[in-house]
Amino acid sequence: SQKIEQNSEALNIQEGKTATLTCNYTNYSPAYLQWYRQDPGRGPVFLLLIRENEKEKRKERLKVTFDTTLKQSLFHITASQPADSATYLCALDSGNTPLVFGKGTRLSVIA
Amino acid sequence: DADVTQTPRNRITKTGKRIMLECSQTKGHDRMYWYRQDPGLGLRLIYYSFDVKDINKGEISDGYSVSRQAQAKFSLSLESAIPNQTALYFCATSDFGTGSYEQYFGPGTRLTVT
Repeated sequence: SQKIEQNSEALNIQEGKTATLTCNYTNYSPAYLQWYRQDPGRGPVFLLLIRENEKEKRKERLKVTFDTTLKQSLFHITASQPADSATYLCALDSGNTPLVFGKGTRLSVIA
Repeated sequence: DADVTQTPRNRITKTGKRIMLECSQTKGHDRMYWYRQDPGLGLRLIYYSFDVKDINKGEISDGYSVSRQAQAKFSLSLESAIPNQTALYFCATSDFGTGSYEQYFGPGTRLTVT
């Protein structure tokens, strides 16, 4: 069956450092991979989408990589700030079926 | 005004009661989804609808039903609520026609079944 794993439930980093979150998947061939941010008690908010034929995507301090051979995506936040503290979800998308979400990684950026 | 709204935002109900959660969107999207979120279990898909005449079961549809009354409205019903349906429920939309696949989520409904 399809499986998505986000490498850690929680990640703590110092302000100013780069946070790296991992999303691994098995038994799936996604056409797209998406990343969302979720704050406590609120709905997820879309951040970035990367297509299977793209290696890397950037948006301001965010960078996403997608390796279909390793079946892995890495999500980086550079120069992290306390305001970046949230849960980050990866989601796999075949293009015409609903997204399949990982359980998320809770990031805490410590000042 | 928010693009995706959910009512009610909070609801406490008793075991055995029938309740309805409502979702409305002003984004003009064709696709709508209902998820529940539980601590440690992530987001799980209950039902989804790719257009007004299309309804599909998700991963955990037992005990739930839905109605797509219009393109903009998608309701989730719990026919006979039970305590393990206590969770945070989210509605989401997406637009297949434009080729953008991101989902837009509502603010959530916190449901407690006692």
